[in-house]
Amino acid sequence: EDQVTQSPEALRLQEGESSSLNCSYTVSGLRGLFWYRQDPGKGPEFLFTLYSAGEEKEKERLKATLTKKESFLHITAPKPEDSATYLCAKVNNQGGKLIFGQGTELSVKP
Amino acid sequence: GAVVSQHPSRVICKSGTSVKIECRSLDFQATTMFWYRQFPKQSLMLMATSNEGSKATYEQGVEKDKFLINHASLTLSTLTVTSAHPEDSSFYICSADHRSSYEQYFGPGTRLTVT
Repeated sequence: EDQVTQSPEALRLQEGESSSLNCSYTVSGLRGLFWYRQDPGKGPEFLFTLYSAGEEKEKERLKATLTKKESFLHITAPKPEDSATYLCAKVNNQGGKLIFGQGTELSVKP
Repeated sequence: GAVVSQHPSRVICKSGTSVKIECRSLDFQATTMFWYRQFPKQSLMLMATSNEGSKATYEQGVEKDKFLINHASLTLSTLTVTSAHPEDSSFYICSADHRSSYEQYFGPGTRLTVT
């Protein structure tokens, strides 16, 4: 069965304290691995797509990496405005249906 | 680029009435559009997948007669909640699959409250 598991469920950081979020997935049929940010009461905002092991993408304080079994979202020197829920999802070869993890709720305190 | 809009953003309706939610891809053509439902503190739950000009594919447990989906063009899909009941109150979000990149972009969501 296709599964995406994110950890931790919640993460509290001090401003400037770097950390990583984990997303592990079942390997079969992976076409792409997506990261989204979701603020309360809003739709998910697209961050990154990763397609193959070894790939890395960066955007401001965020860097996403992909291995054969998991993906990491590294947050460097976070700021309070980075507080949000971060969602990871995979897409299989068979179609565009996203399989989401449960998300990591990040809170960055000043 | 890659902007998806939803309308309305919030709607309150009475039990028994129907509500239509629109989802538009503003600056790209979408091969496929998806409709999700999200409960508080939970991840997104896929309700249905729709392709332009064809019938929607519903996920197990989603009533197709209650949640009517029409995908009239490569930039517009609508979700109609028929005979709404309080338990249909939720946050409904659509997404559009970018035709060239296969990346999915989400709308801002619609908060439905049924009284």
